[in-house]
Amino acid sequence: DVKVTQSSRYLVKRTGEKVFLECVQDMDHENMFWYRQDPGLGLRLIYFSYDVKMKEKGDIPEGYSVSREKKERFSLILESASTNQTSMYLCATTGANTEAFFGQGTRLTVV
Amino acid sequence: DQQVKQNSPSLSVQEGRISILNCDYTNSMFDYFLWYKKYPAEGPTFLISISSIKDKNEDGRFTVFLNKSAKHLSLHIVPSQPGDSAVYFCAATPSYRGYQKVTFGTGTKLQVIP
Repeated sequence: DVKVTQSSRYLVKRTGEKVFLECVQDMDHENMFWYRQDPGLGLRLIYFSYDVKMKEKGDIPEGYSVSREKKERFSLILESASTNQTSMYLCATTGANTEAFFGQGTRLTVV
Repeated sequence: DQQVKQNSPSLSVQEGRISILNCDYTNSMFDYFLWYKKYPAEGPTFLISISSIKDKNEDGRFTVFLNKSAKHLSLHIVPSQPGDSAVYFCAATPSYRGYQKVTFGTGTKLQVIP
């Protein structure tokens, strides 16, 4: 079974803090993704990575950055957290010909 | 600009009846479509997919229908069960990008009433 693990289920951070969300996958998949899920807006792609040190902006990259130093790990960074970044964050991974496998999600609250 | 739309945010169905979830898309480059199911506090899980070379794909109680001319797809669940209560996301991708560029819809929350 593919396992996609996000480092935290719930996080509470203060406005202006730098926040790191970590995601690790164990299936040697090339592609990794960060989405956020908000009511009425569905899943929106923030960033994705198709290889180590490679990244591409998704639909809503503003206020975020990412890091992929190793194939199995993809980090989402909120440079200076704001209240409008309160959301459910979902990491996903795909291989060359597979559908997406998602982590369990991180519920981030910025106060 | 919502390229994949699920116009019904919620749907209630009696156990044993058919659930029909609808999805519309606008991008003509989309040629591969997927449905995901999401329970609260869990990540979405893949349910069923369909390529644009087909108009129907079936997997047990789940059937997806694709109408390319109308840019519309639907997921049928027959018979519906209480365990099917979840949020369902429709997704689409241009297959030349593989799974790199999947666009998700806004989701439909299905409640199956026992």
